[in-house]
Formats: sequence, structure tokens, C-alpha cells
Amino acid sequence: KAGVTQTPRYLIKTRGQQVTLSCSPISGHRSVSWYQQTPGQGLQFLFEYFSETQRNKGNFPGRFSGRQFSNSRSEMNVSTLELGDSALYLCASSLGTGETQPQHFGDGTRLSIL
Amino acid sequence: QKEVEQDPGPLSVPEGAIVSLNCTYSNSAFQYFMWYRQYSRKGPELLMYTYSSGNKEDGRFTAQVDKSSKYISLFIRDSQPSDSATYLCAMSEGGGGADGLTFGKGTHLIIQP
Repeated sequence: KAGVTQTPRYLIKTRGQQVTLSCSPISGHRSVSWYQQTPGQGLQFLFEYFSETQRNKGNFPGRFSGRQFSNSRSEMNVSTLELGDSALYLCASSLGTGETQPQHFGDGTRLSIL
Repeated sequence: QKEVEQDPGPLSVPEGAIVSLNCTYSNSAFQYFMWYRQYSRKGPELLMYTYSSGNKEDGRFTAQVDKSSKYISLFIRDSQPSDSATYLCAMSEGGGGADGLTFGKGTHLIIQP
């Protein structure tokens, strides 16, 4: 069974640009969550989508947005990039319903802002 | 005070030793507790997933949750050099996936051959 797939693996952008990251969940998983990982703050929750609807959102500015498609694939967009947005962006998927549904992570997209 | 506290290490132990990793937390609403292992340049890999208080064992790994003390532990028996990685504790109020996970910052573990 294929795991969570994130593309691209690496990205280099400059300040002010925007970027879109993609995530394909494990087959059958309908919940997709996004996290930002930095050395200083660790892993922080961005948002979660289930059946194309955002169910939960972390404490990040509106420049960070996402969406989910009918096939459960998800994209995350960051506009007006800042140097502080340099991080590893991780996507996790789970079944999304029921009480015991652990999240499984992809290997992330490493975003560098110059 | 951070929601989840975890000693960053590094923690260096000889091969074959028993390793103890711990996290403390402040939010009494957390009910689901996880341990992830992360190798360099890879995403977190789920090791253990537990609900509420108690113990859970899976091979060389044992997870313990003490909700009264707001303290969770992961024990690794017969540690191997391949166990060298960063270990992240994570927790959430709900288990259905909608709740974002709250992570500790991770403990860097080194198993010396």
C-alpha cells in the first residue's frame, strides 16, 4: 500500500512569491492535515481537510491556505512568501472518521526562501 | 509554559541498553497519545498510538501514559544503532483526525555500536 506522497520534495523561492505544495494521501484516507516543521518551533499544525471541507485550523496567518479535491488529494498554498516561511512542510493522512485514526506522514516538501 | 515539553537531548546510550523517552503536557483534555520516529530528511513514522492511560507494547517498544501526572513515556528494549533518530511525542483531544496534533520538539537519540 503506497504511503503519503508529497511533491515536490524541494523548492527554492524568493520573498514575495507564492508557492503551491501537493499531497496525495494513502488510498482510502479522506482526512489530510498539513504541518510546518522548523528547528525553532518544531512541528506545528496548519489545517485539516475532510471531504473537501476544512474542519480545523491552526494559528497561522491567512497567507497560508489549502484545499482538498474530491479524490482526497490536497494542496497547500503560501502567498507573499517571507524568509520565516523556510521550513519542512509535512502532510499527514488518516481515515478521518471514528475515534482511533492515527495520522501517517509523508516525507515533506522542504521550502527554502531566499 | 509550552503545551508539550520534551528534552531535546542528545541522548546517547550503548547498543543493547534500555532507552527511556518522556514527555510532559499541560492540557488535561488530551486523550490520544502517539510516538513518532523521524530519521534525517524523512517524515515522522508512527511507532505507537494509545488512548487514555495505561501501557501498550509492540515488539521492543512500550508506551506508557499517566494522565493523572500528565506524563507519557516510550521505552525501547535491546536498542540498536538503527534506532538512532529523533523521537517525537504527539497528542490530541480527539482521535478522529480533525484535531491537529500537538507535538513535543523531539529527543535526538544516538545508539552507540
